Amino acid sequence: GDSVTQMEGPVTLSEEAFLTINCTYTATGYPSLFWYVQYPGEGLQLLLKATKADDKGSNKGFEATYRKETTSFHLEKGSVQVSDSAVYFCALRGGGSNYKLTFGKGTLLTVNP
Amino acid sequence: DADVTQTPRNRITKTGKRIMLECSQTKGHDRMYWYRQDPGLGLRLIYYSFDVKDINKGEISDGYSVSRQAQAKFSLSLESAIPNQTALYFCATSEGQGAVNEQFFGPGTRLTVL
Repeated sequence: GDSVTQMEGPVTLSEEAFLTINCTYTATGYPSLFWYVQYPGEGLQLLLKATKADDKGSNKGFEATYRKETTSFHLEKGSVQVSDSAVYFCALRGGGSNYKLTFGKGTLLTVNP
Repeated sequence: DADVTQTPRNRITKTGKRIMLECSQTKGHDRMYWYRQDPGLGLRLIYYSFDVKDINKGEISDGYSVSRQAQAKFSLSLESAIPNQTALYFCATSEGQGAVNEQFFGPGTRLTVL
């Protein structure tokens, strides 16, 4: 079945540091890939998405590129801010499904001033 | 105003009690979902509904039931709560069939079963 593996946290960075959160997946067909963010006390919000190989999703300075050859969708940001502190979830929607999301376990990011 | 709302936001109950969590949405979406979130486990799908007359089990439906009262309302019930149902519960919605089918999440209900 479909699965998502993302790097375990917690991740602690200083403001303006470079961020990478690794995500790899296993899926049949041609999945769509997502990064969701959960700020403290809130629900999940879609951060970015990519629907086919080599697509790059981007939003709020975050980027991730859909790499079919390495089955990866790593999240990056060049300069993190304190306000980026949150839990980040990688997710996929399998190519054979138009509804079911499979989530990774989440990575807690803390950015210190 | 929030597009997806959940009530209550927090609930503490005792083993064996019946509990209902409610979800309402103003997005006009056909599809609604219930997930639970446990530390270190991500989100797992409990039930989903594609319209008022269509309800389906997710990967962890045992011990739960749902009711889709209207397009905008989808409630989750725990008939006899047990401590391992202590978790954060999220409702989500999405449009019908589509290329991306992004899901929109409510703020969550934190349930504690003593």
